[in-house]
Amino acid sequence: GAGVSQSPSNKVTEKGKDVELRCDPISGHTALYWYRQRLGQGLEFLIYFQGNSAPDKSGLPSDRFSAERTGESVSTLTIQRTQQEDSAVYLCASSQDSLNSPLHFGNGTRLTVT
Amino acid sequence: AQSVAQPEDQVNVAEGNPLTVKCTYSVSGNPYLFWYVQYPNRGLQFLLKYITGDNLVKGSYGFEAEFNKSQTSFHLKKPSALVSDSALYFCAVRRGTGKLIFGQGTTLQVKP
Repeated sequence: GAGVSQSPSNKVTEKGKDVELRCDPISGHTALYWYRQRLGQGLEFLIYFQGNSAPDKSGLPSDRFSAERTGESVSTLTIQRTQQEDSAVYLCASSQDSLNSPLHFGNGTRLTVT
Repeated sequence: AQSVAQPEDQVNVAEGNPLTVKCTYSVSGNPYLFWYVQYPNRGLQFLLKYITGDNLVKGSYGFEAEFNKSQTSFHLKKPSALVSDSALYFCAVRRGTGKLIFGQGTTLQVKP
């Protein structure tokens, strides 16, 4: 595809349920990033992948959050036992490399935990 | 640790006037600096970057930014603002490879 694709675009879930958010990066992009954007706030770094390894997962807020990536392709962010404070827009981005190439962002998944 | 500060939550400017959106950074070593824009209900779009070389960087939509190492700043500028420039602007910094750290964002409001 032409850009980074995220699905679903919107997700409403009940507190305590698990959710999976998907990201399809731009073909050929080796680096992939997950960010969280709470309403009216900046971007909070969660994790980044180089290929299918995650050199930096320092931003994951708790052990309820995990992410994986298959090769240099699809990534899934999983949130277990969701809490209301998890409500946010989750943004995925990819780039050709993790040095000086700009990030290309998807439109995000808006997660609402009720 | 890397950090970015955008000291203004909002900048208001009249159409046709020059605009500046401020950004300062803190990083050890040489920084890689970026500006992104977020329009309502849309994803972030890349505007410009500074990696090395000339301190004045030109980017998309007529925007430019000036890297000032002594002041650790990377302010975004445009000589003549348009109403359509109204959006949320983010500055970001990276040292070497890896994560890009974003500022809190500055809302630019351009009034006709």
